[in-house]
Amino acid sequence: ETGVTQSPTHLIKTRGQQVTLRCSSQSGHNTVSWYQQALGQGPQFIFQYYREEENGRGNFPPRFSGLQFPNYSSELNVNALELDDSALYLCASSFGDEQFFGPGTRLTVL
Amino acid sequence: LAKTTQPISMDSYEGQEVNITCSHNNIATNDYITWYQQFPSQGPRFIIQGYKTKVTNEVASLFIPADRKSSTLSLPRVSLSDTAVYYCLVDPNYGGSQGNLIFGKGTKLSVKP
Repeated sequence: ETGVTQSPTHLIKTRGQQVTLRCSSQSGHNTVSWYQQALGQGPQFIFQYYREEENGRGNFPPRFSGLQFPNYSSELNVNALELDDSALYLCASSFGDEQFFGPGTRLTVL
Repeated sequence: LAKTTQPISMDSYEGQEVNITCSHNNIATNDYITWYQQFPSQGPRFIIQGYKTKVTNEVASLFIPADRKSSTLSLPRVSLSDTAVYYCLVDPNYGGSQGNLIFGKGTKLSVKP
């Protein structure tokens, strides 16, 4: 148990819809990162938030956006879903060095 | 683009020692070598990190030769519960707190009874 929780655990959407995924960070962690993990691949960095500001972004289009709240919980929003967005979405919180990953949200786009 | 190369899969039996080697020919002077473990439908979990020579903790050992172009994760006396995917990463930030951990495809270790 890392103390990082994510909701929902599973989600099914159709192409073109929008989705919001949620992450509750480990207590005291002010940095959250989001990753996308396609089947059989390693996690790919989407973006990171530090104290409610985006602090780095990977090679993902603008329809992937995020928010971090004052209590350091965060959201990942994806607009105009595509079939290739089907993946496990992981958040990781940190304060300083090590990143602690949550269990992920499995998103299926039909 | 991942900066590391690992075998895609390995098989072992319970009680054996498993060594997974990772190549990182272009490692930078300020890069650390970090290994993560991931079980199905779970997030990756930090196992061990090192910069040079040998590091040992309660879970594993990490061997890094002088040229640092490769590293070997050693798991002593594996059990069925060690079946997982193991990722080798090189990163200039200890533990990757700056985000942007770069994962490759990892090594899928299967431990058989």
